Amino acid sequence: EVQLLESGGGLVQPGGSLRLSCAASGFTFSSYAMSWVRQAPGKGLEWVSTISGSGGSTYYADSVKGRFTISRDNSKNTLYLQMNNLRAEDTALYYCAKDPTHGGNSKLDYWGQGTLVTVSS
Amino acid sequence: AIRMTQSPSSFSASTGDRVTITCRASQGISSYLAWYQQKPGIAPNLLIYAASTLQSGVPSRFSGSGSGTDFNLTINCLQSEDFATYYCQQYYSNPPTFGQGTKVEIK
Repeated sequence: EVQLLESGGGLVQPGGSLRLSCAASGFTFSSYAMSWVRQAPGKGLEWVSTISGSGGSTYYADSVKGRFTISRDNSKNTLYLQMNNLRAEDTALYYCAKDPTHGGNSKLDYWGQGTLVTVSS
Repeated sequence: AIRMTQSPSSFSASTGDRVTITCRASQGISSYLAWYQQKPGIAPNLLIYAASTLQSGVPSRFSGSGSGTDFNLTINCLQSEDFATYYCQQYYSNPPTFGQGTKVEIK
């Protein structure tokens, strides 16, 4: 059974940093791209970033480019999102999601339950 | 970025109804379209991909159609567990983009 468990969310001041983690199990982690998708309170879904199965290719939404870094440790079956220079508009529930392809940029067939990031002073 | 527009944004329906949600892309995306269902407090769930292919485990009352710029999600014989918000997503080009969502409420 595929399981994705996010952690690392919390309350942070504007300009601060946070690192999210997503522990994966139930599938061959290194074979699949992984993504982060966020959802602001009461709003819709917004794609944030994708990383290929090998980690060699990464993609970012314009809204986070230069501030967020996606990475993965295939030996630990874990996905990360390093978030720097956080803004109030980054407040959201952050989901990690599995892509059924190695390269990414596809549909998302499994999702975690999300971790909440709140940016406020 | 390709803009995805869903209609309606919300509507009310009764169990047993047949309902259709529309998603329009701002440019052609072939059949690179997915539909997700999201219930309150729960992560999205993939229903349909490639515009019309049912994800494993999804009830057959759900169906998808369309290609190019215009797509539909149809639910035949609406069940109580189907009251939720539905999102379309294009994966034809980067960045992948979602529609704004369609909330299906109980009449």
